Amino acid sequence: GEDVEQSLFLSVREGDSSVINCTYTDSSSTYLYWYKQEPGAGLQLLTYIFSNMDMKQDQRLTVLLNKKDKHLSLRIADTQTGDSAIYFCAEMTRNNDMRFGAGTRLTVKP
Amino acid sequence: ETGVTQTPRHLVMGMTNKKSLKCEQHLGHNAMYWYKQSAKKPLELMFVYNFKEQTENNSVPSRFSPECPNSSHLFLHLHTLQPEDSALYLCASSQGATGIGTGAGTQYFGPGTRLTVL
Repeated sequence: GEDVEQSLFLSVREGDSSVINCTYTDSSSTYLYWYKQEPGAGLQLLTYIFSNMDMKQDQRLTVLLNKKDKHLSLRIADTQTGDSAIYFCAEMTRNNDMRFGAGTRLTVKP
Repeated sequence: ETGVTQTPRHLVMGMTNKKSLKCEQHLGHNAMYWYKQSAKKPLELMFVYNFKEQTENNSVPSRFSPECPNSSHLFLHLHTLQPEDSALYLCASSQGATGIGTGAGTQYFGPGTRLTVL
């Protein structure tokens, strides 16, 4: 496909794990990113993974990359109400252009 | 705090007004970007500046006029806007488009300006 694709909505209970999925477009993309946007704020770079890796863990966040399927996921362990936000997947192409998905709105219920 | 600031944070203007949005980055970057974020739409890249030169203009109407006087500052001049231009306008910066696979294009965003056109 031509677009970076993500589901628009995800709802989880506090304490559960959240998994946000993304399909990107360019098999030669060098970096894949997750950004977080809280209400009324800009996009905050959450984490990224280089394309020669298949996993990256950073505290409660785990990023998985499947290059063959061009699939990226973000797992948030022990999801808290403060994790409620919109999460954007993005890819960086070989000429350093970034393409963003439409964002997944994560709602965490108490 | 990402090192990218935007002012004002909120702006309400009439259709006949002229106003400007300002973005400043303190990261030593060479590329700056304007994005428009409307409700229920993907991020729209509007303009890209690399080393003060405009390298991309994604068919943006002429009522939006960017200005990049130096690598640290970016402006978006607004005149005779329409109500459908109401949106969150985001500025971002990156090191610059050099070196394949270096990550130099990683973008850092400001907090945005919430614009309402009456």
